[in-house]
Amino acid sequence: KNEVEQSPQNLTAQEGEFITINCSYSVGISALHWLQQHPGGGIVSLFMLSSGKKKHGRLIATINIQEKHSSLHITASHPRDSAVYICAVRIQGAQKLVFGQGTRLTINP
Amino acid sequence: DGGITQSPKYLFRKEGQNVTLSCEQNLNHDAMYWYRQDPGQGLRLIYYSQIVNDFQKGDIAEGYSVSREKKESFPLTVTSAQKNPTAFYLCASSAANYGYTFGSGTRLTVV
Repeated sequence: KNEVEQSPQNLTAQEGEFITINCSYSVGISALHWLQQHPGGGIVSLFMLSSGKKKHGRLIATINIQEKHSSLHITASHPRDSAVYICAVRIQGAQKLVFGQGTRLTINP
Repeated sequence: DGGITQSPKYLFRKEGQNVTLSCEQNLNHDAMYWYRQDPGQGLRLIYYSQIVNDFQKGDIAEGYSVSREKKESFPLTVTSAQKNPTAFYLCASSAANYGYTFGSGTRLTVV
């Protein structure tokens, strides 16, 4: 079983819908990252969380340390939000990240 | 603007050849990383370096080598010993208590 599990693996929605992507992990962490990967392959860091909630524009990320769970929400989704969203955790005491397999989001106009 | 530069974007290699992928950062980050991404799989760590002249193997280091002679540079060599080198390679850097910055990647194809 992977240390980081994301759901769903694929998500297709209509423009304007509220989107939720989930991430569960099974190890102790010092931080959790949400990343966005566009078709060209480059990755952009969206959020780094160690507790609570962060908001940037239409994106909201939450984390529940006790439940070892994080969610990424997108409000008023737009076709340009179409990308692969990746959850990654920094294991406590370690430098490296462990990645989920990603969620492929497609927003149709 | 600060960031990570990976080059080239696309690379073709003949079987049996070594090839070196470049990664340069001007963020003054101490740590740098190389990841490999295969279709349908999460990123996997190849090598990482926390300081100059020091590096550690990641989960899939076999068939790869790195050097860290300068803080700004962390080149990755894919050797002929790597049996399945065709993949997308991403370089990243980080500083303590800060997030990660990723490069735009190099897509390597063995022909």
